[in-house]
Amino acid sequence: SQWGEENLQALSIQEGEDVTMNCSYKTYTTVVHWYRQDSGRGPALIILIRSNEREKRSGRLRATLDTSSQSSSLSITAAQCEDTAVYFCATDRASSSFSKLVFGQGTSLSVVP
Amino acid sequence: GPKVLQIPSHQIIDMGQMVTLNCDPVSNHLYFYWYKQILGQQMEFLVNFYNGKVMEKSKLFKDQFSVERPDGSYFTLKIQPTALEDSAVYFCASSFTGGYAEQFFGPGTRLTVL
Repeated sequence: SQWGEENLQALSIQEGEDVTMNCSYKTYTTVVHWYRQDSGRGPALIILIRSNEREKRSGRLRATLDTSSQSSSLSITAAQCEDTAVYFCATDRASSSFSKLVFGQGTSLSVVP
Repeated sequence: GPKVLQIPSHQIIDMGQMVTLNCDPVSNHLYFYWYKQILGQQMEFLVNFYNGKVMEKSKLFKDQFSVERPDGSYFTLKIQPTALEDSAVYFCASSFTGGYAEQFFGPGTRLTVL
């Protein structure tokens, strides 16, 4: 799982398997962003889940958010090689309508044939 | 989708020199950000910028750092003078709205300070 002080997590799975990545955060938030970062590129948003949504799906991706335990998860169903990337959760410590993302350490996911 | 561009992709400079990192944000976006990522570590917020002003900065945004977007051109991060600990990848991001908005990130500029 990701959290501020933890080292980058690494997962290796086989194509076709399901995988879940977890994220815990310290400060209450109403929004959790899940970003994917491919090697040599900037992060790209894949799911944004708000506190009024306990679960959100996008294709093979599923995110959950539990504000009571301050945790979120990202699941990938039937992973494919192109899902190989680093996945970050981020909370938005917005103040006065100005955004400030706080990222977790990230999970490096490797999907092998 | 919308793209944020960053120039250069890699910059190598000697400690003490000045460096300017350039960001070309998404054209209709109004909010701009810089983040810093040291190799193997998490990405960390540096600053957000709106309507020509810094709205919030982190403790990583040292006095040697400055940002500006003159006349709607590039959004720049200037470091003067640079220090060894400034070596990192710097990511620019932009968003159309403020709080809780999707931020679009550029590919990063890898800064190496020797």
